[in-house]
Amino acid sequence: DGGITQSPKYLFRKEGQNVTLSCEQNLNHDAMYWYRQDPGQGLRLIYYSQIVNDFQKGDIAEGYSVSREKKESFPLTVTSAQKNPTAFYLCASSIEHQETQYFGPGTRLLVL
Amino acid sequence: AQKITQTQPGMFVQEKEAVTLDCTYDTSDQSYGLFWYKQPSSGEMIFLIYQGSYDEQNATEGRYSLNFQKARKSANLVISASQLGDSAMYFCAMRYTGFQKLVFGTGTRLLVSP
Repeated sequence: DGGITQSPKYLFRKEGQNVTLSCEQNLNHDAMYWYRQDPGQGLRLIYYSQIVNDFQKGDIAEGYSVSREKKESFPLTVTSAQKNPTAFYLCASSIEHQETQYFGPGTRLLVL
Repeated sequence: AQKITQTQPGMFVQEKEAVTLDCTYDTSDQSYGLFWYKQPSSGEMIFLIYQGSYDEQNATEGRYSLNFQKARKSANLVISASQLGDSAMYFCAMRYTGFQKLVFGTGTRLLVSP
């Protein structure tokens, strides 16, 4: 089955620690995205990538970093510079940047 | 700035009835796309329906239809014959040409009762 997988489902971060969220897709989509969702709010874009080895900042990129070394993978690192990382993180992909975005199941990040 | 407004924090509907979820948007662009997503308690965002700004006919996908009124800048989602499994959060979103992001509303929680 084609789709988007995210792991882990739950992630706990200690103060000062960097953590990495995984996002993999086997849909052969060119574009991939990371969104953050806080309680009672819609999604906000963190980073996006249209092609391999290229990515752009979204609205709330501070404290986050990404890489796109393979077409199917777009990991997100939450660095210690992100002071309020507790949120639900959703990865999405689309055939190209103008098409419908399809989402993975999400990762919930909690700070210990 | 582009903005999506969903004024209904929660909606209740009885099974088998129709329900309309409101969405208004604000943009000065002529070319844009409007989306509705469903988010069940599991968290995954499920794509429901899409309407392009130049589409003259309202989009339909099974029990979902999008009531697109361009002059009023509204893109309401209509769910016909509600089912218990329709209980979820529903988000309206807009993508405007040239930008690589979706702008989301704050969502409407729909509860379908037997």
